Amino acid sequence: DAGVTQSPTHLIKTRGQQVTLRCSPKSGHDTVSWYQQALGQGPQFIFQYYEEEERQRGNFPDRFSGHQFPNYSSELNVNALLLGDSALYLCASFLGADNEQFFGPGTRLTVL
Amino acid sequence: DQQVKQNSPSLSVQEGRISILNCDYTNSMFDYFLWYKKYPAEGPTFLISISSIKDKNEDGRFTVFLNKSAKHLSLHIVPSQPGDSAVYFCAASAANDYKLSFGAGTTVTVRA
Repeated sequence: DAGVTQSPTHLIKTRGQQVTLRCSPKSGHDTVSWYQQALGQGPQFIFQYYEEEERQRGNFPDRFSGHQFPNYSSELNVNALLLGDSALYLCASFLGADNEQFFGPGTRLTVL
Repeated sequence: DQQVKQNSPSLSVQEGRISILNCDYTNSMFDYFLWYKKYPAEGPTFLISISSIKDKNEDGRFTVFLNKSAKHLSLHIVPSQPGDSAVYFCAASAANDYKLSFGAGTTVTVRA
């Protein structure tokens, strides 16, 4: 049983560019959350998708947007990249009322 | 606004001894608490959790204690093993809110 998978593993972009990160949830999971982990900090909640809708959003600007597909996979899009967007982006999935969230290995984004 | 705080960035312990990790929170709406363990280049993996209706939960070598009046929880690892060397994150969520709020993490090093 494959766990949560994310692609790409690493990514280098320049300021002002746009980036799309991808996540496939654990089999049977219908909810996907995205987190940003800056160096030396804990993961910060970006938003959560359920039934192809954004159900909840953290304190991130509109430059961060997402999408969930019918197969429950998800994308995170970041426009107009800033140097401060450099971080590890983690995707987590879970099912319904289950509080345990399973995390993927993350995508390391570097903005130059 | 950091609602979950792990004030010890690092902990070094000898193999076979007890590791005690601490976590404080400020949001009184939090009712579910989790500990995650993270190895380099991997996503966080769930370790143990506790609901606010309990004050202790045990799973093998891992025990989590919750003191609601002090808004404090701790993770005990007994006995500590070299494979326990990792970053440990404390996380919390409120009822009907599947967003996790994380602390900054504590890096545990188990010495042989």
